[in-house]
Amino acid sequence: NAGVTQTPKFQVLKTGQSMTLQCAQDMNHEYMSWYRQDPGMGLRLIHYSVGAGITDQGEVPNGYNVSRSTTEDFPLRLLSAAPSQTSVYFCASTQQGGYGYTFGSGTRLTVV
Amino acid sequence: AQSVTQLGSHVSVSEGALVLLRCNYSSSVPPYLFWYVQYPNQGLQLLLKYTSAATLVKGINGFEAEFKKSETSFHLTKPSAHMSDAAEYFCAVSDQEGGGNKLTFGTGTQLKVEL
Repeated sequence: NAGVTQTPKFQVLKTGQSMTLQCAQDMNHEYMSWYRQDPGMGLRLIHYSVGAGITDQGEVPNGYNVSRSTTEDFPLRLLSAAPSQTSVYFCASTQQGGYGYTFGSGTRLTVV
Repeated sequence: AQSVTQLGSHVSVSEGALVLLRCNYSSSVPPYLFWYVQYPNQGLQLLLKYTSAATLVKGINGFEAEFKKSETSFHLTKPSAHMSDAAEYFCAVSDQEGGGNKLTFGTGTQLKVEL
């Protein structure tokens, strides 16, 4: 049982490049979310999904897109990378009812 | 809107001493409350959760937390700190009406354990 799998673990981008951060879970969870973690700011919600085909914006959605075509996968797209998007990104999933999110191991992204 | 305040970005205790990490929340609806731990260069691990069944919640690694509605608090405690407890701890809140789908985090407390 792999839980939540994120790829890649590390990535360096040039300003203006685009890329997709992959996230997959094998627990059949309805809810999935993307967070970014920056020093002194905790984790901030970028986008979330309550099921296949349903997504919504979180606290800091600008510059990011998501889609959820299957229950298992929830990729995060950076449209045109900016240095302000240098961060550690976490994907997480849970089922309805306050069970608590299970987190992936994170992607450390640097934009130069 | 929900929010979480963690008092003290850094807490230092001696090994064997009581650990107390403070968390206050704001929520207009009944909340779910969580504590997560993050070790260096790792993801977040769930320590414990409050989902309205019992106000005193026991978690992993000897940690526990008490939900106090009158004080809007959910402080994390451990009677005796161990060196392996050194990590960053995050308090988080979501709302029961939404099924717990959106989690709002505090800014974290770095726990240092000294000999």
